[in-house]
Amino acid sequence: NAGVTQTPKFQVLKTGQSMTLQCAQDMNHEYMSWYRQDPGMGLRLIHYSVGAGITDQGEVPNGYNVSRSTTEDFPLRLLSAAPSQTSVYFCASSYSTSLSTTYEQYFGPGTRLTVT
Amino acid sequence: DAKTTQPPSMDCAEGRAANLPCNHSTISGNEYVYWYRQIHSQGPQYIIHGLKNNETNEMASLIITEDRKSSTLILPHATLRDTAVYYCIVRVAGSSSNTGKLIFGQGTTLQVKP
Repeated sequence: NAGVTQTPKFQVLKTGQSMTLQCAQDMNHEYMSWYRQDPGMGLRLIHYSVGAGITDQGEVPNGYNVSRSTTEDFPLRLLSAAPSQTSVYFCASSYSTSLSTTYEQYFGPGTRLTVT
Repeated sequence: DAKTTQPPSMDCAEGRAANLPCNHSTISGNEYVYWYRQIHSQGPQYIIHGLKNNETNEMASLIITEDRKSSTLILPHATLRDTAVYYCIVRVAGSSSNTGKLIFGQGTTLQVKP
């Protein structure tokens, strides 16, 4: 298993540009999510999905869109990049069923985004 | 989800046990305690979790007090590679309304020294 993969690893954007951060997992996980981490801070949840076709907002959703057309992929779109979106972005996935008592989340290696 | 409190930083000598405390005095009966760590520039890594019994796996041990208001993560023989930020997270699991969200605080920066 490759686990959770993210592309690109690094990206520089100009203010106003758009781009999509890719996230894929090969563990057949139902749950996927996106976090951002700013310097010296913990992770903050942007968007999440409990299964294909279902997405919802996290703590800091403004400026980001997501979709979940397949179980494997969960791309994060920045429609009009702003300097405040300079951050490290992590994608995560896990099993998610109402019968599951516990489950750990697996994180990708991150995408380092700079918006100038 | 209950809030957690951790010391901002700790040091540990290589080869010694590292004991990382976490306070979660408002924890509910159906909330689990999870520990993750983040080694510099990498994605967080799951370590261990528990409800009310002590737990042990190949990475660490988790000791939860009887009243469940605090817990301690124990790395039995810390190595330099254990230098990381350690996050204690409390959340509900197994609910149909569970959204899987992990709320990361500031964590404890553990520095393992030779």
